[in-house]
Amino acid sequence: EAQVTQNPRYLITVTGKKLTVTCSQNMNHEYMSWYRQDPGLGLRQIYYSMNVEVTDKGDVPEGYKVSRKEKRNFPLILESPSPNQTSLYFCASRDTGEQPQHFGDGTRLSIL
Amino acid sequence: LAKTTQPISMDSYEGQEVNITCSHNNIATNDYITWYQQFPSQGPRFIIQGYKTKVTNEVASLFIPADRKSSTLSLPRVSLSDTAVYYCLVGDSGGNNRLAFGKGNQVVVIP
Repeated sequence: EAQVTQNPRYLITVTGKKLTVTCSQNMNHEYMSWYRQDPGLGLRQIYYSMNVEVTDKGDVPEGYKVSRKEKRNFPLILESPSPNQTSLYFCASRDTGEQPQHFGDGTRLSIL
Repeated sequence: LAKTTQPISMDSYEGQEVNITCSHNNIATNDYITWYQQFPSQGPRFIIQGYKTKVTNEVASLFIPADRKSSTLSLPRVSLSDTAVYYCLVGDSGGNNRLAFGKGNQVVVIP
């Protein structure tokens, strides 16, 4: 089954404790993105990648890092999480051309 | 990067046709218009995509005027299960994955 898989689905942690949210897709898609969703603000792109080793900043990249060492994986790294990064995070992938995005089920992060 | 503007919310009665508008005044020549549906605690799901004029699939129609500065998603005969947030997205289908969602339109279907 074609899917985008995020882990963990839920995480409660404390300020400053490094964490990684993994994202994996099995559709051989070139493009991947990370979004955060906050009430009243919709979905905002954090980082995106157009291929292996090619990443770029989206609208809200501060406090986040990403890597794309393999085509299928696109982890989101919070080196020193802060409470303002408490949010619902979505990973998405899509093929090249005018192809729509496929989204994961989301990761709810709470930073205390 | 093209920004999108949508009404915040709208209500509709079951069985009616619902038209949801999106404004994208600075859409670029290469940009396609894509609509997604999102239920609570789920990732957005693709509904329909178009470049110009009218596109129809099994669940919706998308109307895009000649100037492409706006678009309208039409859902025929909505049911309670169509209650969701609807997002329009304008983005380059070519070599750029830089995408900007708007704040979405909460559609509530009333029995």
